[in-house]
Amino acid sequence: KAGVTQTPRYLIKTRGQQVTLSCSPISGHRSVSWYQQTPGQGLQFLFEYFSETQRNKGNFPGRFSGRQFSNSRSEMNVSTLELGDSALYLCASSLGAVNQPQHFGDGTRLSIL
Amino acid sequence: GNSVTQMEGPVTLSEEAFLTINCTYTATGYPSLFWYVQYPGEGLQLLLKATKADDKGSNKGFEATYRKETTSFHLEKGSVQVSDSAVYFCALKHQGSSNYKLTFGKGTLLTVNP
Repeated sequence: KAGVTQTPRYLIKTRGQQVTLSCSPISGHRSVSWYQQTPGQGLQFLFEYFSETQRNKGNFPGRFSGRQFSNSRSEMNVSTLELGDSALYLCASSLGAVNQPQHFGDGTRLSIL
Repeated sequence: GNSVTQMEGPVTLSEEAFLTINCTYTATGYPSLFWYVQYPGEGLQLLLKATKADDKGSNKGFEATYRKETTSFHLEKGSVQVSDSAVYFCALKHQGSSNYKLTFGKGTLLTVNP
């Protein structure tokens, strides 16, 4: 069974640009969550989607947005990039129930110059 | 709100040593508890989980028991290997609510020397 696939693996952008990251969940999983990982703040929750609806949102500015498609694939977008947005962005999928574990992809490493 | 506290690292052990990584949590109700492991350059892998008090999660020689009375979920392994070198994260997910996010501890870097 294929795992969670995130593309691209690496991205380099400059301040002020925007970026879109993609996540394909495990087949049959309808929930997709996004996390930001940085050395200083650790793992922080961005948002979670289930059946194309955002169910939860973390404490990030509106420059961070996401969506989910009918095939459960998800994208997140960051606009007006700042240096502090440099991070590893992790996507996780699950069946959707609250006691189900989340399975993570290998992440997209975003570097802002 | 929910929070997870892990022992500060880094932890350095010799091969075949006993491992304990402490994890305590703060949460209302009855959260599900998880341990994840992250190898260099990779995402997080689920190591084990427990969904109710006194449950013991186990996988690949690692174990952790959900202790509600002490709000703890300590990770243990009887004999570590060099290949266990990684960062370990304790996490919780709050049951009984519409909050589906994982709350993570800050991670503990484990280095096992031959």
